[in-house]
Amino acid sequence: QKEVEQNSGPLSVPEGAIASLNCTYSDRGSQSFFWYRQYSGKSPELIMSIYSNGDKEDGRFTAQLNKASQYVSLLIRDSQPSDSATYLCAVKKVQGAQKLVFGQGTRLTINP
Amino acid sequence: DAGVIQSPRHEVTEMGQEVTLRCKPISGHNSLFWYRQTMMRGLELLIYFNNNVPIDDSGMPEDRFSAKMPNASFSTLKIQPSEPRDSAVYFCASSPRQVLYNEQFFGPGTRLTVL
Repeated sequence: QKEVEQNSGPLSVPEGAIASLNCTYSDRGSQSFFWYRQYSGKSPELIMSIYSNGDKEDGRFTAQLNKASQYVSLLIRDSQPSDSATYLCAVKKVQGAQKLVFGQGTRLTINP
Repeated sequence: DAGVIQSPRHEVTEMGQEVTLRCKPISGHNSLFWYRQTMMRGLELLIYFNNNVPIDDSGMPEDRFSAKMPNASFSTLKIQPSEPRDSAVYFCASSPRQVLYNEQFFGPGTRLTVL
């Protein structure tokens, strides 16, 4: 079992709809969770972080965390073509440590 | 303020040659990370440093890989001898340790092709 698992996609969503990206992790003691966006040929950039159960909203983005189910998700409302990218889920397993474990990423395409 | 700087941006070399990748972290950041990204394996952490000291090198694939951080503003990742399976994009990232939740800022990457 991979430490961090994501559906590789591609996930195709019409413009204006909600895109839902999912991630599961294996280590129940994991502490912090991050979503990175990576455009083709570019480097990953952090778009959301979440540390406690529940929802965290930032503009059109909402991160959701359920530690009991070991599940973290990213919702993108009012999807735009510029949201087309690969989304990487990253997990920090140990508090105080800095090592992040990344999932394989989900490729998202927003269709105009 | 400049972001993480990596050089070269592209490197094409022949099998058996030595390759050196360079990274300058964001000024004031205490932690530096080297990652490798391939289609098959995704984004993998190779090694990271805190205050110029290597903390975790468990991701370094084999002895052909070595990394150094001689000072707070410079790090190298060396592959000697290089092999075709080393072809990948290598990212350097830095992080300010005083940030509680460890946001990592990535450089533009070095695309390495070993023929």
